[in-house]
Amino acid sequence: GAGVSQTPSNKVTEKGKYVELRCDPISGHTALYWYRQSLGQGPEFLIYFQGTGAADDSGLPNDRFFAVRPEGSVSTLKIQRTERGDSAMYLCASSLTGGTNTEAFFGQGTRLTVV
Amino acid sequence: DQQVKQNSPSLSVQEGRISILNCDYTNSMFDYFLWYKKYPAEGPTFLISISSIKDKNEDGRFTVFLNKSAKHLSLHIVPSQPGDSAVYFCAASGETSGSRLTFGEGTQLTVNP
Repeated sequence: GAGVSQTPSNKVTEKGKYVELRCDPISGHTALYWYRQSLGQGPEFLIYFQGTGAADDSGLPNDRFFAVRPEGSVSTLKIQRTERGDSAMYLCASSLTGGTNTEAFFGQGTRLTVV
Repeated sequence: DQQVKQNSPSLSVQEGRISILNCDYTNSMFDYFLWYKKYPAEGPTFLISISSIKDKNEDGRFTVFLNKSAKHLSLHIVPSQPGDSAVYFCAASGETSGSRLTFGEGTQLTVNP
């Protein structure tokens, strides 16, 4: 597709359940990012992939959060034992090469609600 | 700590006038700054950027100014149009933060017809 695609657009889950959020980056983009945005706040960095490897996962809040990008394209963010505090908009972005002076293109996000 | 701050949660201007959105940062290692625009139910859209080697970058109706000594940047939109109504996020990156972007809290701009 032309842009970054995230599925599902909305996800409601019960506390304690496991969820997976998917991101399809722009074709050819080697860098992929996950951010989380809470209401009234800016996006907060979670993890950055360069190719298949996680180059920086320092933003993951705890070990319940994990992300993979096995073939260097699609990425999945996985959250175990969800908590109500995990409710947020999860945003994925990609950029052509990564690095500090490159713009990132965002998907429309997945709204996660934990009830 | 909030390394990028947008102190105005909202701004309202008349169509045709200038909109000025402000952003302050504390990390002196930041050397690349971006503005994103976000409509409801959509992801942020890149608007304009500036490198720390410049103090101004212009793209059509949008101009970003960077004052490194004050650790301050601003986005000017002139003339403002109703379609500019959105949340605007300031973001920064630098050598020590690698490819990650650090965002401000956002400013809701409303342009009134």
